[in-house]
Formats: sequence, C-alpha cells, structure tokens
Amino acid sequence: GAGVSQSPSNKVTEKGKDVELRCDPISGHTALYWYRQSLGQGLEFLIYFQGNSAPDKSGLPSDRFSAERTGGSVSTLTIQRTQQEDSAVYLCASSSRILDEQYFGPGTRLTVT
Amino acid sequence: AQSVTQLDSQVPVFEEAPVELRCNYSSSVSVYLFWYVQYPNQGLQLLLKYLSGSTLVESINGFEAEFNKSQTSFHLRKPSVHISDTAEYFCAVTNAGFQKLVFGTGTRLLVSP
Repeated sequence: GAGVSQSPSNKVTEKGKDVELRCDPISGHTALYWYRQSLGQGLEFLIYFQGNSAPDKSGLPSDRFSAERTGGSVSTLTIQRTQQEDSAVYLCASSSRILDEQYFGPGTRLTVT
Repeated sequence: AQSVTQLDSQVPVFEEAPVELRCNYSSSVSVYLFWYVQYPNQGLQLLLKYLSGSTLVESINGFEAEFNKSQTSFHLRKPSVHISDTAEYFCAVTNAGFQKLVFGTGTRLLVSP
C-alpha cells in the first residue's frame, strides 16, 4: 500500500520568504509527527498530531513555525520568514496509534539561500 | 528530560565481521527503545523495538539489541555484516508520557569488502 508521502521533495527559497511543506500520512493513521534532520542538530522532534489536535508543540523552534492538520489526514508545516538556519530535511511520520511503529516519509529538503 | 547518546559517529568494518553500535539513554521513567536505519538516499525505517517483555529483540535481517536497564543501554549487534548493511543507524527513546521520539545523533556503519 501507499506509504507516507511528502511534497515537495526539494525546496529552495530565499531568506525571508514563507514556505509550506505537505505531508500525506498512511490512510487510517491517526497520529502524525514532524521531525527535522539537520547536520548540526541531528533528528529533532517538532510537533505531533493526534487526529487534528496537536497536544505537543514543544519542539517547534520559534513562532515562525506552525503546523496544522485537517480532516485527520493531510498536514502542512509552515515556516514564515525563513532563515538560513531553517535549512534541513523535514521528515513526516505517521502511526496507527500512539507508540505504534512510526512510518517515515522520504522528507522535504529545504534550502534557504 | 530524555536523551540518547550514540558515542560512535562512524564505525568502519569489513564484510562478515561482527559489529556493535552503542546506544545509551537517560530517562527517569520507564522507556521504550527503538533502532531506526536510514539507507543512502532513503527514508528512515524501523529496525527493531523494545516495548516490554524479553530484553533481547531481533530484526528480520539478523540484527539484535538488548535492553539493559542497569546500564541504561540498548546496543545493536550483528554477528556478521553484509555490504548492504551500510547505512546510518539511529537509536531513539520515548515513554508513555511523551509521544515524540528522541533520537541519538546517529552512527554511520561502513561495510567494506
């Protein structure tokens, strides 16, 4: 069956612009997670959703980052006024329930110039 | 707060040799432990996990890891590696109170002929 998909696969943007990253979880998965993978920081948790609500936003680096999930399915991670330190691979994962295996998407590579 | 330490950033090994990738965690509560693998140009995949029960867990491709509570470790081992095992390996921890995975910085396993 289809796995987690993310779009775009690559995004190059100028400093100061806003970007939107999309995640399509596996159908029926209620939990959705966003992580960031960068050279200096490794893999960092950003936010997770249970259904459409986000009980834990503790990993969002600043108020320039926001995320939403609609219909218990697709999620969008938005970064406003991008900075060079936002350059990273943004990974999305989903699971059928909390503590079940998280299935990761291929990621979106964001480069801020 | 939870944390994961992977002391070895890179482990070179010859094909058919044994390997151990070290992982130590820090947590004040009960934990669940995971090893993820990232093959070149691919997404993260779950290799194995410890949730409860037997402290020795195995993967389908010959890896095993042992949960050692007294040493707060979850080292990954394989008795004989293949070229195809070349990848980056991430140890991660979570617990019942937190839904996010906290990852180590990763260990790059390089298998040469």
